[in-house]
Amino acid sequence: GAVVSQHPSRVICKSGTSVKIECRSLDFQATTMFWYRQFPKQSLMLMATSNEGSKATYEQGVEKDKFLINHASLTLSTLTVTSAHPEDSSFYICSAPRVAKNIQYFGAGTRLSVL
Amino acid sequence: KQEVTQIPAALSVPEGENLVLNCSFTDSAIYNLQWFRQDPGKGLTSLLLIQSSQREQTSGRLNASLDKSSGRSTLYIAASQPGDSATYLCAAYNQGGKLIFGQGTELSVKP
Repeated sequence: GAVVSQHPSRVICKSGTSVKIECRSLDFQATTMFWYRQFPKQSLMLMATSNEGSKATYEQGVEKDKFLINHASLTLSTLTVTSAHPEDSSFYICSAPRVAKNIQYFGAGTRLSVL
Repeated sequence: KQEVTQIPAALSVPEGENLVLNCSFTDSAIYNLQWFRQDPGKGLTSLLLIQSSQREQTSGRLNASLDKSSGRSTLYIAASQPGDSATYLCAAYNQGGKLIFGQGTELSVKP
């Protein structure tokens, strides 16, 4: 079964609204989680690294005020797309590394459509 | 800066063929390399993980190899089936656990 749960799987919202996406590690603790974005027919691009208890680290070109990340606990990270616009429409995927197994597990993804 | 490239971008084969998907990376100091499958509109399914000390991993009809010195990995699929149709992504782990993805190979297996 899934070891990383991502919710919601699909969001349709109006331009200007904010959308929150949750990523949970189900049976292990993750001090770090990763957020990726995937545009149609393109690969996954790392957006930011979510760190429990401290600020997220954003990749170059990713607006931290646009994409708010909160790693509230050892099993939960949230990504909030603030004031979403149509160009933010994309597939967002989170992952959590399981250090003991030296592997990353991915959520099922969230498809965001901004009208 | 690590860059991962996959060739070909798309591949169409008849059912039953054996095939090879290629992945190359620019920085040989990778931690691990992982192959994923992605069906249209879906998330990622991990296929094989090759640790930096390993040269290959096998799972069923899949075999992945890793050659760090040449910066290459291959995914071999034996006796392909229509159900294998999907996009295959390779990703290199850097220190810190960051995954750098290739662009993917879109595979179509025709019945």
